[in-house]
Amino acid sequence: DGGITQSPKYLFRKEGQNVTLSCEQNLNHDAMYWYRQDPGQGLRLIYYSQIVNDFQKGDIAEGYSVSREKKESFPLTVTSAQKNPTAFYLCASSSLGGESRTDTQYFGPGTRLTVL
Amino acid sequence: GQSLEQPSEVTAVEGAIVQINCTYQTSGFYGLSWYQQHDGGAPTFLSYNALDGLEETGRFSSFLSRSDSYGYLLLQELQMKDSASYFCAVSYGQNFVFGPGTRLSVLP
Repeated sequence: DGGITQSPKYLFRKEGQNVTLSCEQNLNHDAMYWYRQDPGQGLRLIYYSQIVNDFQKGDIAEGYSVSREKKESFPLTVTSAQKNPTAFYLCASSSLGGESRTDTQYFGPGTRLTVL
Repeated sequence: GQSLEQPSEVTAVEGAIVQINCTYQTSGFYGLSWYQQHDGGAPTFLSYNALDGLEETGRFSSFLSRSDSYGYLLLQELQMKDSASYFCAVSYGQNFVFGPGTRLSVLP
């Protein structure tokens, strides 16, 4: 089955530690995204990548870093510079063309990060 | 800048029809999408409008009017399982901007 997986589902981090959230997709999508969602709020874009080895900052990139070494993978690192990292993190992907709609995003199940 | 507005909460009863509005202050976007998100879950795609007018997908329909900078999601024959948050989003090719979301509560 095609889809997007994120791991872990729940993650606890001590202050001052970096932590990496995994995102893998087997949909053969070119574009991948990371969003942050706080309780009762909408989605805010952290980073996105349209092709391998290239990515762009979103609205709230400070304190986060990403890499895109493979088309299938787009890990997000939450660094110690992120002052308020406790949130729900969602990874998504979309196709750049072909038969799939280019305007639809497919989301992973999310990772809930809590800083202790 | 890009800005989308939605009502924060809507309440309706089972079997009713509800409309969730989305107004925006942006231009040049490719289309307007709608996503559903249940508590603790991931957003799932519901509907998309590239052109003005109504798109129907089962019990859900979505409408867009670019001249009025306005769109809406229409949910018919409401069911308890429709209780969720609903987000509108505009797409600029591979870039997406989401609205703040509307929490729909369906009462028995």
